[in-house]
Amino acid sequence: GAVVSQHPSRVICKSGTSVKIECRSLDFQATTMFWYRQFPKQSLMLMATSNEGSKATYEQGVEKDKFLINHASLTLSTLTVTSAHPEDSSFYICSASEGLQETQYFGPGTRLLVL
Amino acid sequence: KQEVTQIPAALSVPEGENLVLNCSFTDSAIYNLQWFRQDPGKGLTSLLLIQSSQREQTSGRLNASLDKSSGRSTLYIAASQPGDSATYLCADAAPGQGGKLIFGQGTELSVKP
Repeated sequence: GAVVSQHPSRVICKSGTSVKIECRSLDFQATTMFWYRQFPKQSLMLMATSNEGSKATYEQGVEKDKFLINHASLTLSTLTVTSAHPEDSSFYICSASEGLQETQYFGPGTRLLVL
Repeated sequence: KQEVTQIPAALSVPEGENLVLNCSFTDSAIYNLQWFRQDPGKGLTSLLLIQSSQREQTSGRLNASLDKSSGRSTLYIAASQPGDSATYLCADAAPGQGGKLIFGQGTELSVKP
């Protein structure tokens, strides 16, 4: 089956620093990748959609200059949280699909804690 | 704007009981609807996906139904087991939205031995 990995699984950083999270599709080519954020006891909220080789499309209210998304290859997308603040502490989950409207396969998530 | 709601937010049942989780959505123009399982601190595991043209899907002890006219989907779990304890999320994909999923808040299920 399709496997999506995320690295790191958890990260702790100081306020003001930047953190990069990787999302990889291990056995298929992911034309489209999605990034979600989940706060405790809440549901997943879509942050942005990225298509390989083009700029990401951000959801309303998500700062594109703060959450930098790069989808440079068909197997890798990265989310960089710049100048992290404690309120950015959350569970970040990516998903990948082989195309629009295709099944999304979810990664295991990355727990970010900003001190 | 599509909204997805799940009721109840939490449910506790004794082992062996059959149960139903509910999911409602405001816009019936959906492409498909999925049910996911999420264990604490983990990612999502897809359980069942129902296309808009389908009425139900079954996998083992799980059965998901879809009624677009009423904007509802249910996940039926037969003979529940403690291992079924997790948060169950439903999400729908709207046509022409590039595969974007709108998630409900989830139902936290606890099956007591």
